[in-house]
Amino acid sequence: QVQVQESGPGLVKPSETLSLTCTVSGGSISSYYWSWIRQPPGKGLEWIGYMYYSGSTNYNPSLKSRFTISVDTSKNQFSLKLSSVTVADTAVYYCAREHSSSRGAFDIWGQGTTVTVSS
Amino acid sequence: QSALTQPRSVSGSPGQSVTISCTGTSSDVGGYNYVSWYQQHPGKAPKLMIYDVSKRPSGVPDRFSGSKSGNTASLTISGLQAEDEADYYCCSYAGSYTFEVFGTGTKVTVL
Repeated sequence: QVQVQESGPGLVKPSETLSLTCTVSGGSISSYYWSWIRQPPGKGLEWIGYMYYSGSTNYNPSLKSRFTISVDTSKNQFSLKLSSVTVADTAVYYCAREHSSSRGAFDIWGQGTTVTVSS
Repeated sequence: QSALTQPRSVSGSPGQSVTISCTGTSSDVGGYNYVSWYQQHPGKAPKLMIYDVSKRPSGVPDRFSGSKSGNTASLTISGLQAEDEADYYCCSYAGSYTFEVFGTGTKVTVL
């Protein structure tokens, strides 16, 4: 059974770069779209972007281009980098797999990792 | 791209039915049959309940059903149970520029 697990620092200072990793276990990262989604405290879900296992990426155009998603197929991992963080980036960050035959249908989610931006 | 519009809250007694609406535009909900619904309990990750407007993943009770009319999608929970109390979010594909957009979320309360 495929599982995903986010990892990264829980606390980041303003203006620094946040780096998160999503590790896929129980299955291959290949042939799927993998997304990052975040949820600020007490608020709704926001899609950040996705990557295909081949390395192609797309991002939410509503967000400024501070996000970078990359893949390491040898480790069955993909990563998110967010530059110049502000307090508004404080959120639970989830990685999720998109259903193989649909769009926007995230069928496997990690438990989420809480990121706090504070000096 | 604005978030899809959902009612802030809906409620019902056990055994009753509740329906949650998700209103978008012709560029997202109305333009594609790629609407999904998620259930989120406090402190937990969202769970896929409906995809492609009305398909249920394996393991999701058939009390949950989805539909769409024009720019509005709906999730109906029939035979409401205590464990259905949670936040629910819709999500729609919005084309090859915007991609995915979530709804504002609805809190379902079982009275």
